Amino acid sequence: KAGVTQTPRYLIKTRGQQVTLSCSPISGHRSVSWYQQTPGQGLQFLFEYFSETQRNKGNFPGRFSGRQFSNSRSEMNVSTLELGDSALYLCASSPGTSGQHRGFFGPGTRLTVL
Amino acid sequence: GESVGLHLPTLSVQEGDNSIINCAYSNSASDYFIWYKQESGKGPQFIIDIRSNMDKRQGQRVTVLLNKTVKHLSLQIAATQPGDSAVYFCAEKWGLQNFNKFYFGSGTKLNVKP
Repeated sequence: KAGVTQTPRYLIKTRGQQVTLSCSPISGHRSVSWYQQTPGQGLQFLFEYFSETQRNKGNFPGRFSGRQFSNSRSEMNVSTLELGDSALYLCASSPGTSGQHRGFFGPGTRLTVL
Repeated sequence: GESVGLHLPTLSVQEGDNSIINCAYSNSASDYFIWYKQESGKGPQFIIDIRSNMDKRQGQRVTVLLNKTVKHLSLQIAATQPGDSAVYFCAEKWGLQNFNKFYFGSGTKLNVKP
């Protein structure tokens, strides 16, 4: 099976812009979780989508949003970018059913905000 | 490669020795734990998991120990190899309602000397 893919791998934006990141999960996986990784805060949970519905959310401002499509692909969007949004954004896919919590991570998207 | 942490605790071991990486988790109600390995420029890779109704689980060259009394998790790597050099994270979750919402530790950098 192909692994989790994320596009783009690298992105440079300026403050105030918005950005959309994409994640394609492993075939058959219905859950996609997003994490932000920074040197200062480590890995922090953003949100999780399952069957096109957000079923969990972390403590991030409303500028961070996401969605999931019927093929389980997911996108996250960050509006009105701030310098502090510079981070590695990771997505993890899992089957999503009860007892199946092992997450498989993609390589991440490195976002730099100037 | 990308830096995943500026001030991570570092464990340096000689190739062939055993490594023990420790993690203090935060919530006494946590019922599921995962150890991940992250190499520079890559997303976290699943190593081993354990449920709270167990205190030990073994994989290939790795063993996870769980001590719920002191909220402590450890990862033991036997016969450490240069390819084991990476940052290691423990992750915890609790509650059925949290589905795949994981909380990650700050990580430990393992440096294997040939």
